[in-house]
Amino acid sequence: DAGVIQSPRHEVTEMGQEVTLRCKPISGHNSLFWYRQTMMRGLELLIYFNNNVPIDDSGMPEDRFSAKMPNASFSTLKIQPSEPRDSAVYFCASSPSGSRADQPQHFGDGTRLSIL
Amino acid sequence: GESVGLHLPTLSVQEGDNSIINCAYSNSASDYFIWYKQESGKGPQFIIDIRSNMDKRQGQRVTVLLNKTVKHLSLQIAATQPGDSAVYFCAENESGTASKLTFGTGTRLQVTL
Repeated sequence: DAGVIQSPRHEVTEMGQEVTLRCKPISGHNSLFWYRQTMMRGLELLIYFNNNVPIDDSGMPEDRFSAKMPNASFSTLKIQPSEPRDSAVYFCASSPSGSRADQPQHFGDGTRLSIL
Repeated sequence: GESVGLHLPTLSVQEGDNSIINCAYSNSASDYFIWYKQESGKGPQFIIDIRSNMDKRQGQRVTVLLNKTVKHLSLQIAATQPGDSAVYFCAENESGTASKLTFGTGTRLQVTL
């Protein structure tokens, strides 16, 4: 079975540019999560969706960040405009059911983002 | 879980020995716990989970122990192999918060030959 698929794997861009990260969750999973990982702050939850609806976006750093899930098989995380402090590895994860607590999340291999 | 700082604790183990990785959690309302393994350049990979109504669960070469009294979780890896070298994270889920997980700081496991 295919796991969570993220693209691109690496992104290098100049500050001020728009960045769009993409995620395809595992088929049949109803919950999708976006995380950011840095050495300083570890793994931070940015936002999560249940049945394509954003449930908790309290981790989104600021208005420059936005996330969408237009359908059950696709989500985007957008940063506009990007800043050097946004440099991190961004992970997407999915789990079978957001209404149940005892469901492990399955992660993609992340997008390594560098803002120059 | 707490945010990781600049330095991950490191556990160095000789190949073939058993490894024990510890995790302290702070939320007494947490009722579901997961251990993840993260190799360089990859995303966290699910290893094993445990619910709060259990104190021990075994998988293939791995055992998770949960002590709710002192809010402590451990991961035991039997006969550690070079392929076990990675960063290990514990994660907790607070009852009533559906799938939202809070990750611990992580421990780097180094397996020496």
